[in-house]
Amino acid sequence: EVQLVESGGGLIQPGGSLRLSCAASGFTFNMFAMSWVRQAPGKGLEWVSSISSSVGGPYYADSVKGRFAISRDNSKNTLYLQMNSLRAEDTAVYFCAKNLKAVPATVMDYWGQGTPVTVSS
Amino acid sequence: SYVLTQPPSVSVAPGKTATITCGGHTIGTKTVHWYLQKPGQAPVLVIYYDTDRPSGIPERFSGSNSGNTATLTISRVEAGDEADYYCQLWDSSTAHVIFGGGTKLTVL
Repeated sequence: EVQLVESGGGLIQPGGSLRLSCAASGFTFNMFAMSWVRQAPGKGLEWVSSISSSVGGPYYADSVKGRFAISRDNSKNTLYLQMNSLRAEDTAVYFCAKNLKAVPATVMDYWGQGTPVTVSS
Repeated sequence: SYVLTQPPSVSVAPGKTATITCGGHTIGTKTVHWYLQKPGQAPVLVIYYDTDRPSGIPERFSGSNSGNTATLTISRVEAGDEADYYCQLWDSSTAHVIFGGGTKLTVL
């Protein structure tokens, strides 16, 4: 059974940094691209970033490019999102998702339950 | 950047057919995926590659994509189908994932 468990969310002041983690199990992690998608309170889904299984990418939404960095440790079956220079508009639930294939240009077939991030003073 | 347009809401009576549209410029030339999301839960994939259903998704869910509109159709709607529905695609020109704004399906 595919499981994706996010962690690392919390309350952070504007300008601060936070690192999210996504622990994956139930599939061969190093064979699939992975993505982060966020959802602000009461809003729709917004793609944040994706990373290929090995080479290629990463890819970022314009709203986070230069501030966020996606990475993965295939030896630990874990996906990360380093978030710097956080703004109030980054407040959202952050979901980790598995892509169907090795490249991000594919559907996200499994999702974690999300971890909330609140940026506020 | 590429934009996907969905109606904010659709209402349907139980047992009837719900149609949720996703508009985009020549979207028929792209591959569209659909997710449902219930309050407080993670999104769930219901249709991928325009028309395919993941295992465990009822046959009542179907998809199509042509011209400037992709469509999710839910036949014999049940109360449990009430959710927000999102279309999504990969925009190769920008290397971005694009989501539609979402459609709230209400079962009357």
